[in-house]
Amino acid sequence: EPEVTQTPSHQVTQMGQEVILRCVPISNHLYFYWYRQILGQKVEFLVSFYNNEISEKSEIFDDQFSVERPDGSNFTLKIRSTKLEDSAMYFCASNVAGGDETQYFGPGTRLLVL
Amino acid sequence: SQKIEQNSEALNIQEGKTATLTCNYTNYSPAYLQWYRQDPGRGPVFLLLIRENEKEKRKERLKVTFDTTLKQSLFHITASQPADSATYLCALGNNFNKFYFGSGTKLNVKP
Repeated sequence: EPEVTQTPSHQVTQMGQEVILRCVPISNHLYFYWYRQILGQKVEFLVSFYNNEISEKSEIFDDQFSVERPDGSNFTLKIRSTKLEDSAMYFCASNVAGGDETQYFGPGTRLLVL
Repeated sequence: SQKIEQNSEALNIQEGKTATLTCNYTNYSPAYLQWYRQDPGRGPVFLLLIRENEKEKRKERLKVTFDTTLKQSLFHITASQPADSATYLCALGNNFNKFYFGSGTKLNVKP
């Protein structure tokens, strides 16, 4: 069964550094999403992406964040100048036809900012 | 701003019983509501979706109801099994691919 994959599974970085989290959505999916989940807290929507542009973003998704689909398979989240509070699990998700359909989540990247 | 409430306390039930989880929301009119299962350290897994014009949806042992007047969804698992033990999340969505998740309710099914 097709699945969303994410790399790396774990990332440790120093405060102030830039990180790029990578996702490979399911191949025939058109809508892509990033979420984060701080340990013990709820899943928080960051951004949705369709047709090579941001569809929606949350208040969390400020200038520190950016997304890109650099080729036909990868979907990346870049976090510039990381802060301690960026430590969280970051999930990528995708679906075929937009928000009212099943979203398939990846296994997540656990980011730790020291 | 929108608020989504799920029981923060764990729900403990005996195997074979029906588990009922609640999702209440305020300051929002979702186009649809989704339920997910999340196991520790894993990503959410989609279970069911119900649209604003639907009252009830079923899938195998799962049933979801949606009352837009009460601003509430109920999620039922019948004939519960220990393997159903997990955290269950509700998520509200609009027509613009933006979602809000509740904090989840942990379900413990005891054999």
